[in-house]
Amino acid sequence: QQQVKQSPQSLIVQKGGISIINCAYENTAFDYFPWYQQFPGKGPALLIAIRPDVSEKKEGRFTISFNKSAKQFSLHIMDSQPGDSATYFCAATFDGTASKLTFGTGTRLQVTL
Amino acid sequence: GAVVSQHPSWVICKSGTSVKIECRSLDFQATTMFWYRQFPKQSLMLMATSNEGSKATYEQGVEKDKFLINHASLTLSTLTVTSAHPEDSSFYICSANGPGSEHNEQFFGPGTRLTVL
Repeated sequence: QQQVKQSPQSLIVQKGGISIINCAYENTAFDYFPWYQQFPGKGPALLIAIRPDVSEKKEGRFTISFNKSAKQFSLHIMDSQPGDSATYFCAATFDGTASKLTFGTGTRLQVTL
Repeated sequence: GAVVSQHPSWVICKSGTSVKIECRSLDFQATTMFWYRQFPKQSLMLMATSNEGSKATYEQGVEKDKFLINHASLTLSTLTVTSAHPEDSSFYICSANGPGSEHNEQFFGPGTRLTVL
């Protein structure tokens, strides 16, 4: 019930293309869904997050789409750039302080020229 | 923004020795800190949750006598890997969740690469 499944495991996108990463969760009590970006040898950094009361959130080139009934959410990176090449993790948690994050397995994105 | 630092950024030690890793919240007070380990090309695995002034809560399968966590102040948590062995070699990352965080946001440190010879 605590799992978050993430796909694909790896993704290659041409510069300017759209990168799409999908996640699915089981626990309907989750109510906060962040996405993290991690470069090699660095800690994860929060990219964007969404709560289940909205179906979409956009920040710059990054958009989260959320489907509550399907228990799925996805990250879309528009106009992908080589600098976006990193590992992306989705996560889920319960709203409120000190709640643990449940991470997806990660997606290694490579944006080619 | 909220900044979390870790020290050292990397450490190499001999098998059987103990290693201490520090995690500091630089510009905010962290009531709760989390410790993760990450193996190459894998996701983050939560090891323990520490709250200032109280004992850490360890995840199932994590040896609390081997991975000692101390959260003595609102800005500092330490992880000590005792009697380290090569299988403890990993990337250790801490995160902090402060009282002012919106929607339970966790701020991650840059990580510490531990190599045990």
